[in-house]
Amino acid sequence: NAGVTQTPKFRILKIGQSMTLQCTQDMNHNYMYWYRQDPGMGLKLIYYSVGAGITDKGEVPNGYNVSRSTTEDFPLRLELAAPSQTSVYFCASSSGGRQPQHFGDGTRLSIL
Amino acid sequence: AQSVTQPDIHITVSEGASLELRCNYSYGATPYLFWYVQSPGQGLQLLLKYFSGDTLVQGIKGFEAEFKRSQSSFNLRKPSVHWSDAAEYFCAVGGDNDMRFGAGTRLTVKP
Repeated sequence: NAGVTQTPKFRILKIGQSMTLQCTQDMNHNYMYWYRQDPGMGLKLIYYSVGAGITDKGEVPNGYNVSRSTTEDFPLRLELAAPSQTSVYFCASSSGGRQPQHFGDGTRLSIL
Repeated sequence: AQSVTQPDIHITVSEGASLELRCNYSYGATPYLFWYVQSPGQGLQLLLKYFSGDTLVQGIKGFEAEFKRSQSSFNLRKPSVHWSDAAEYFCAVGGDNDMRFGAGTRLTVKP
């Protein structure tokens, strides 16, 4: 059981570069989420999706974009990387909004 | 909107001692409450959840939590801590479409 898979695990970007963080799940969950985790701040929701073709903003969406063309995949895009986006990013999925979320192992992103 | 407060940033306990991690939530309706654990370099793993019914819920790894509506609390407990319990613990409250997490409590276990 793969669960939630995130790639890459680590990445270093230069300011102004763009990249896509990949997330895929094999549990047929409708709900998927992107969080960022900064020291002492817990997890902050960036974007979420309640099904293919449907996405919505979370607490901290600025500087990010998402798409959800399939149930399995929920990529997160950074268009113009900024140092403030240095963080650890987690993708999660669940069978419903109030159900437990299953997390990937994270992507550690540094922007220099 | 829902919110979660974990008052303790860092707790140190001796191996074999009991543990209680505090969590207070704010939510307008009946809350769906969760505790997750995160080991270094890992994602979050569900320890236990409360949806309704019995206010004392049992989870994995010997953890339990008690829901107290009058105090808006959902504290996590373990009778005897093991060195392998050292990790970061997050309390969360589930809304209609999303979940809000507390800032976390880092647990250190002394030998």
